[in-house]
Amino acid sequence: GAGVSQSPSNKVTEKGKDVELRCDPISGHTALYWYRQSLGQGLEFLIYFQGNSAPDKSGLPSDRFSAERTGGSVSTLTIQRTQQEDSAVYLCASSLVAGGTGELFFGEGSRLTVL
Amino acid sequence: AQTVTQSQPEMSVQEAETVTLSCTYDTSESDYYLFWYKQPPSRQMILVIRQEAYKQQNATENRFSVNFQKAAKSFSLKISDSQLGDAAMYFCARGSNYKLTFGKGTLLTVNP
Repeated sequence: GAGVSQSPSNKVTEKGKDVELRCDPISGHTALYWYRQSLGQGLEFLIYFQGNSAPDKSGLPSDRFSAERTGGSVSTLTIQRTQQEDSAVYLCASSLVAGGTGELFFGEGSRLTVL
Repeated sequence: AQTVTQSQPEMSVQEAETVTLSCTYDTSESDYYLFWYKQPPSRQMILVIRQEAYKQQNATENRFSVNFQKAAKSFSLKISDSQLGDAAMYFCARGSNYKLTFGKGTLLTVNP
């Protein structure tokens, strides 16, 4: 696709339910990132993929959070047993090279609301 | 933790005027990159300007320019001839290796 695509755009769920957020990066981009943006906060790094591997998953807040990437393309971020503090916008970004030096291309994010 | 600090949570500017957004950062590395990203209400982050730390010359992109002071670890963004479409959240970010670390952002309002 032309840009980074994320789905769903908005998700409302009940506390304790599991949710899956999907990211479809720009074709050919080997690096993929998940960030979390909470109200009034900056972007909090969650996890980085290079291809299908995740060399850095240090930002995942707890073991309720997991992510995978398949085929060097689509990534899924899964949150199990959601809590109200998980409410945030989850942003996905991809880049041709590792993002420290290059431009990150962001999706429009998935807004998660946990009731 | 190596941090990025934006000391102005909110700023406002009159249309056609100039505004400067501040950013300071912490790093122990000598080679790194600095970025300003813009986030309009659509939520999609867009790169505004990029600066390579080893370059002394300040980056410029049309109406956007930076004042990069490496010794002071300061990286401010100047927006000239502000337009209504510049209204957004602006994030400063520092990149090294594979990761970008972002500040908490500055909400810019442009008054007609």
